[in-house]
Amino acid sequence: QKEVEQDPGPLSVPEGAIVSLNCTYSNSAFQYFMWYRQYSRKGPELLMYTYSSGNKEDGRFTAQVDKSSKYISLFIRDSQPSDSATYLCAMSGYGNKLVFGAGTILRVKS
Amino acid sequence: NAGVTQTPKFQVLKTGQSMTLQCAQDMNHNSMYWYRQDPGMGLRLIYYSASEGTTDKGEVPNGYNVSRLNKREFSLRLESAAPSQTSVYFCASSGPGGGSVIYTQYFGPGTRLTVL
Repeated sequence: QKEVEQDPGPLSVPEGAIVSLNCTYSNSAFQYFMWYRQYSRKGPELLMYTYSSGNKEDGRFTAQVDKSSKYISLFIRDSQPSDSATYLCAMSGYGNKLVFGAGTILRVKS
Repeated sequence: NAGVTQTPKFQVLKTGQSMTLQCAQDMNHNSMYWYRQDPGMGLRLIYYSASEGTTDKGEVPNGYNVSRLNKREFSLRLESAAPSQTSVYFCASSGPGGGSVIYTQYFGPGTRLTVL
């Protein structure tokens, strides 16, 4: 079993929809949780960063962490075609190494 | 402020050839990383350097070597390329330093390598 599981999709939604992207993990030592966005043929870019449990909002994006369930989510409100990308969850404990999910491909149709 | 830069952007090798991928960062980060990305596999860590002068193996180190040349530069070498090393290679760096948040990693644009 992988340390971090992420549904690869692809997930296809109409413009304006609310998108929910999720990851589950097995290592209870993880404390830092991130979401990266990767456009086609580009490097991943950091989108959201949270520490421990709770919610964090940034514009149309909300990251949630539920450590008791070992489950993290990224919500995108009012999705736009420009949100079409691969979304990677990543997490770490008290070291510098990150463990990544396989990534979910999102397509927002106009 | 260029962030993380990688050279070359593309490379085609024949089986058995060697090459070095170059990476540099200007964010004054202590830690640097090399990943490979394959379809359906996500990002897998090859090697990392927690600080200047140290390197450690990641999840998939076989067939690769690294050099942390100084705080800015971290290179990845394929001594004898194999078709299984066809992949997209990403370099990343992380803080503290340069105002970045610790433990988050910042990525370069990648090198697309094909081994025939």
